[in-house]
Amino acid sequence: AQSVTQLDSQVPVFEEAPVELRCNYSSSVSVYLFWYVQYPNQGLQLLLKYLSGSTLVKGINGFEAEFNKSQTSFHLRKPSVHISDTAEYFCAVSYGGSQGNLIFGKGTKLSVKP
Amino acid sequence: GAVVSQHPSRVICKSGTSVKIECRSLDFQATTMFWYRQFPKQSLMLMATSNEGSKATYEQGVEKDKFLINHASLTLSTLTVTSAHPEDSSFYICSARAPLAFYNEQFFGPGTRLTVL
Repeated sequence: AQSVTQLDSQVPVFEEAPVELRCNYSSSVSVYLFWYVQYPNQGLQLLLKYLSGSTLVKGINGFEAEFNKSQTSFHLRKPSVHISDTAEYFCAVSYGGSQGNLIFGKGTKLSVKP
Repeated sequence: GAVVSQHPSRVICKSGTSVKIECRSLDFQATTMFWYRQFPKQSLMLMATSNEGSKATYEQGVEKDKFLINHASLTLSTLTVTSAHPEDSSFYICSARAPLAFYNEQFFGPGTRLTVL
């Protein structure tokens, strides 16, 4: 079955430190990849997406992610985090192209400490 | 652009009553809308896919008679939780897909917190 794995349920980090949130997906010929952020009691906001082309994708709020086809990964990174980055982050994959549904990982809680 | 709203944002009801949640695409027409359910500290689980003018497609394990979905127009989908019980308490999130999108980008609403007493 198609799946998305976020390896870390919680990631605590100090302010201004770099962070990487990991995401792996089950192999498929063609995938679209997404990272979303969710603040408490709110919906999801798109951080960035990979559809095709350059494997390094830049998103909002200084985040970036790299698509690695051989490792079936799409890890999210930020070189220097802020307190305001504290939130839940979800990796999602579409296996069916533009008509496929999104499959979400279980989420990673990023906690940024002063 | 691409804003999706949900109403209400929060609702508390008594067991046995029905609750309707609205999802609207404010600045685009959405032929397809999705309803998700999210339990505390968990991921989003797709409940159903709603296409304008046709019956919704429910995911396995979701009771279609319990969760009634109506997608009556290109900008509005509603989810009605019928005869709600405490176990239906959850965070419900809708999303909408723009019909001309090349990729599968869904635009998400802010969610509705349902508490059944």
